[in-house]
Amino acid sequence: QKEVEQDPGPLSVPEGAIVSLNCTYSNSAFQYFMWYRQYSRKGPELLMYTYSSGNKEDGRFTAQVDKSSKYISLFIRDSQPSDSATYLCAMSRAAYSSASKIIFGSGTRLSIRP
Amino acid sequence: DAEITQSPRHKITETGRQVTLACHQTWNHNNMFWYRQDLGHGLRLIHYSYGVQDTNKGEVSDGYSVSRSNTEDLPLTLESAASSQTSVYFCASSDLAGGTTDTQYFGPGTRLTVL
Repeated sequence: QKEVEQDPGPLSVPEGAIVSLNCTYSNSAFQYFMWYRQYSRKGPELLMYTYSSGNKEDGRFTAQVDKSSKYISLFIRDSQPSDSATYLCAMSRAAYSSASKIIFGSGTRLSIRP
Repeated sequence: DAEITQSPRHKITETGRQVTLACHQTWNHNNMFWYRQDLGHGLRLIHYSYGVQDTNKGEVSDGYSVSRSNTEDLPLTLESAASSQTSVYFCASSDLAGGTTDTQYFGPGTRLTVL
């Protein structure tokens, strides 16, 4: 069993829809949760970062962590064609790369139809 | 502007050849990482370094090696390329820089094909 599971998609939604992307994990020691966005033929870039349980909002993006269920989500409101990308969840036991490795999900490919 | 670059961007090689992928960052970050990305597996850590002369094995290090002689560069060497090493390779760097966590910044990737 992988430490982090993510539905690969692809997920296709119309412009303006609310998108929900999810990951589950098995290691209860994970404390730091991230979402990376990766455009085609590019490297991943950090989109959102949260610590422990709860919600974090940044513009149209909301990251949600439920540690009791070992489940994290990324919501995108008013989705735009420019949001079309692969979204990777990632998590770590510690805040610093030097203390704990980041474990990545396999990514969900998202397409927003104009 | 500071950045992280990888070269070559595309490489085709033959089984058994030695291949070196370059990674160069201008942020002066202490931490550098090499990942491979394959369909269905996401990003998997190959090797990493926390500073000059420091190197460590990741989860998929067999057949790969790295060396860190300066802060800016972490070249990845495939000692004897195998078809199973056909993949997209990403280099990343990070440093705390006064923040509460260190964000990993990724390069544009190298697409390697081993025939």
